[in-house]
Amino acid sequence: EAGVTQFPSHSVIEKGQTVTLRCDPISGHDNLYWYRRVMGKEIKFLLHFVKESKQDESGMPNNRFLAERTGGTYSTLKVQPAELEDSGVYFCASSRVGLPETQYFGPGTRLLVL
Amino acid sequence: GQQVMQIPQYQHVQEGEDFTTYCNSSTTLSNIQWYKQRPGGHPVFLIQLVKSGEVKKQKRLTFQFGEAKKNSSLHITATQTTDVGTYFCAGPLGNNFNKFYFGSGTKLNVKP
Repeated sequence: EAGVTQFPSHSVIEKGQTVTLRCDPISGHDNLYWYRRVMGKEIKFLLHFVKESKQDESGMPNNRFLAERTGGTYSTLKVQPAELEDSGVYFCASSRVGLPETQYFGPGTRLLVL
Repeated sequence: GQQVMQIPQYQHVQEGEDFTTYCNSSTTLSNIQWYKQRPGGHPVFLIQLVKSGEVKKQKRLTFQFGEAKKNSSLHITATQTTDVGTYFCAGPLGNNFNKFYFGSGTKLNVKP
């Protein structure tokens, strides 16, 4: 079984530019999560999809962040325009529907905004 | 503010010594999960505890969930260099059982 994959693995952009991160969950996993870890701090929840529906997006920092999961398969997280404080590692995780279920994390996208 | 606290932030031990990391929540948790992240890697699920007072073991790792379900610990007996990494606890707070709050992690370094 293939794991969660994320693309790109690294991204370096300038402040004001746009970046789109992609996550492909494990096949059959309806739950999809986005997290962010800023250097040395906790892994912070951003949002949760069940299939194509946003179940909880209370962790999204502001309206510069837009997450989509059209068709309920892969998901994208767009940051536009990027700011310096958006730098960090963005993790995607997926799990089966159920209470509670193991979350499988992807390798993360390391974003650096200069 | 942060609702799941984890201590210590760093721990350096000599190979063979024991290691413990502690996790405390401001509210009762329905369950708690532990993850390990190797340097440069991503969090990997270790275990889940659900019952009050539950204790689970995985070889040299012992996981405990407090009676009040507000704290948890991970103890490693006789550490090895392969134990190096950051250990995170995570639990759902509130009504969304899929919204996990992670602790800030304990970074373990094991000197050979």
